[in-house]
Amino acid sequence: AQSVAQPEDQVNVAEGNPLTVKCTYSVSGNPYLFWYVQYPNRGLQFLLKYITGDNLVKGSYGFEAEFNKSQTSFHLKKPSALVSDSALYFCAVRADSGYALNFGKGTSLLVTP
Amino acid sequence: EAGVTQFPSHSVIEKGQTVTLRCDPISGHDNLYWYRRVMGKEIKFLLHFVKESKQDESGMPNNRFLAERTGGTYSTLKVQPAELEDSGVYFCASSQLTGKTGELFFGEGSRLTVL
Repeated sequence: AQSVAQPEDQVNVAEGNPLTVKCTYSVSGNPYLFWYVQYPNRGLQFLLKYITGDNLVKGSYGFEAEFNKSQTSFHLKKPSALVSDSALYFCAVRADSGYALNFGKGTSLLVTP
Repeated sequence: EAGVTQFPSHSVIEKGQTVTLRCDPISGHDNLYWYRRVMGKEIKFLLHFVKESKQDESGMPNNRFLAERTGGTYSTLKVQPAELEDSGVYFCASSQLTGKTGELFFGEGSRLTVL
């Protein structure tokens, strides 16, 4: 069975500083990894994904994530945070044996001016 | 292009009543998923349709939940009878690709409160 862990319930960052939202996964076989963001009263929006190839993937709104197979991690990063990045972030994994996405609990990101 | 739409946005019912949630996927998307998030917990997979067929319903909690997708367009998720633990936000998502690499497009969710 596959699972995702997001160890931090909340991450606080000052605007302009780099941010990292952590994610580790457990899956049999090759993982397909995703990050989604949820703004208040909105649905989840796709940010980026890792399927294969380069371990550093770039996505929407300046976000990127690094796949680390040895550490089974897929941390989300951004070099310079914006107040508008404040939202709920979900990491998800899909095993190559199925179609369902398995999500973490989510991490609330708060960027302060 | 219209996104995934869900109705109602919020439903408050009493224990033992019935609720039906509806999802209209993005036009042309054959894959339709239902997920649920209970407050503060993970978003849990419920089931997956490919067109009108149930591809995977391993996440359905019990037989009080019934999902349909007649004609392969919109889908409904009925909870009958509702219990307190069914409260949460029910998300619908759709995707075009049948492979495992495509991202899902989510609706805004239907919040269910069972009193």
